Amino acid sequence: EIVLTQSPTTMAASPGEKVTLTCLASSSVNYMYWYQQKSSASPKLLIYYTSSLASGVPDRFSGSGSGTSYSLTISSMEAEDAAIYYCLQLTSTPYTFGAGTKLELK
Amino acid sequence: EVQLVESGGGLVQPGRSLKLSCLASGFTFSNYGMNWIRQAPGKGLEWVASISSSSSYIYYADTVKGRFTISRDNAKNTLYLQMTSLRSEDTALYYCARQTYTFDYWGQGVMVTVSS
Repeated sequence: EIVLTQSPTTMAASPGEKVTLTCLASSSVNYMYWYQQKSSASPKLLIYYTSSLASGVPDRFSGSGSGTSYSLTISSMEAEDAAIYYCLQLTSTPYTFGAGTKLELK
Repeated sequence: EVQLVESGGGLVQPGRSLKLSCLASGFTFSNYGMNWIRQAPGKGLEWVASISSSSSYIYYADTVKGRFTISRDNAKNTLYLQMTSLRSEDTALYYCARQTYTFDYWGQGVMVTVSS
């Protein structure tokens, strides 16, 4: 099973601040996917194929990485970005999610 | 508009069974793989099971293998999850999700509570 380790677990950012979240895989994966979840809502796809922006997602979000190290960057934090972010690997079953990073507004 | 609507959840005693359904609309259901993903209260996301468009390929998480069965009826545009021998640790919000290059559309989820 590929274990995904997200860091930090929790962080707070001020409006306008650049935010970088990381996801490390225990084995190499082909791509990484990123989701945003707010309160009791269903997860929303942000990034697919490591760096492609999902439809309707603001371009302040970007993804990068390869092999076992991936990141999600918010170029300029906005209040609406406060949420929990999860990475996901689909390279092999069992598909696995990271434990999540909780991003709060400072 | 793609819609996935889960149903069938509720309170069930440990050891009993429950069957979840996910009714799909707004796309050609028979062309897509489908998944169940769950989220225990206050916890993260856990993939549960996957089924290909024609039911040829089925995969399970080790935590549910042998107890849960994923299936689909393409004529009814419906995905199912038959859950048996339920345990307290199966308590969660269960989402169905469409799979293309990833889980691109999710339902709103249905709550399953396993408790005596």
